[in-house]
Amino acid sequence: DAGVIQSPRHEVTEMGQEVTLRCKPISGHDYLFWYRQTMMRGLELLIYFNNNVPIDDSGMPEDRFSAKMPNASFSTLKIQPSEPRDSAVYFCASSRTSGSSNEQFFGPGTRLTVL
Amino acid sequence: QKEVEQDPGPLSVPEGAIVSLNCTYSNSAFQYFMWYRQYSRKGPELLMYTYSSGNKEDGRFTAQVDKSSKYISLFIRDSQPSDSATYLCAMSARMNTGFQKLVFGTGTRLLVSP
Repeated sequence: DAGVIQSPRHEVTEMGQEVTLRCKPISGHDYLFWYRQTMMRGLELLIYFNNNVPIDDSGMPEDRFSAKMPNASFSTLKIQPSEPRDSAVYFCASSRTSGSSNEQFFGPGTRLTVL
Repeated sequence: QKEVEQDPGPLSVPEGAIVSLNCTYSNSAFQYFMWYRQYSRKGPELLMYTYSSGNKEDGRFTAQVDKSSKYISLFIRDSQPSDSATYLCAMSARMNTGFQKLVFGTGTRLLVSP
């Protein structure tokens, strides 16, 4: 398996622009997570899905952030409009219900810079 | 107060040294304790996990959990330059739905010099 795939790997945009981050989870995994990582706050959970349904979006910072999972193999995180404080590395991760370790498999991340 | 506290480092050691990485936490409901390793410009990957208290060993790595003190540790013996990375502790408590949401520490950056 190729692991969790994210695109783009790097995104530089100007304040006010719309940004869309994409994720393909590992096949067969029923949970998908979106995280944001910064030096100051570390790794923060933004939202997670179970079987394509959003379960907990309490970590989404503002209404400017939205996430969708139209099918089991694709999810998007959208920021509209983007602001400089949104600059961070955004990770997508997936896991499956079975197993006791609750291991989450992370993608390589998207490094977002908002000017 | 954060649920999970972790010293950001950096921690610099010479090759061959024993490394001790630690986290403290405040939520007594945490049941699973994990260590993730993150190389520069990569996503975190699971290194070790333990359930409840006790020790777990895997090669040069030992994870230790002390629930009475709300303190977990990761020891690395005979450290190698390839161990240079950021180490994040993570913990989870069972949710009502049965799913365990992970709470991460901010990570400790480790540098092992040859």
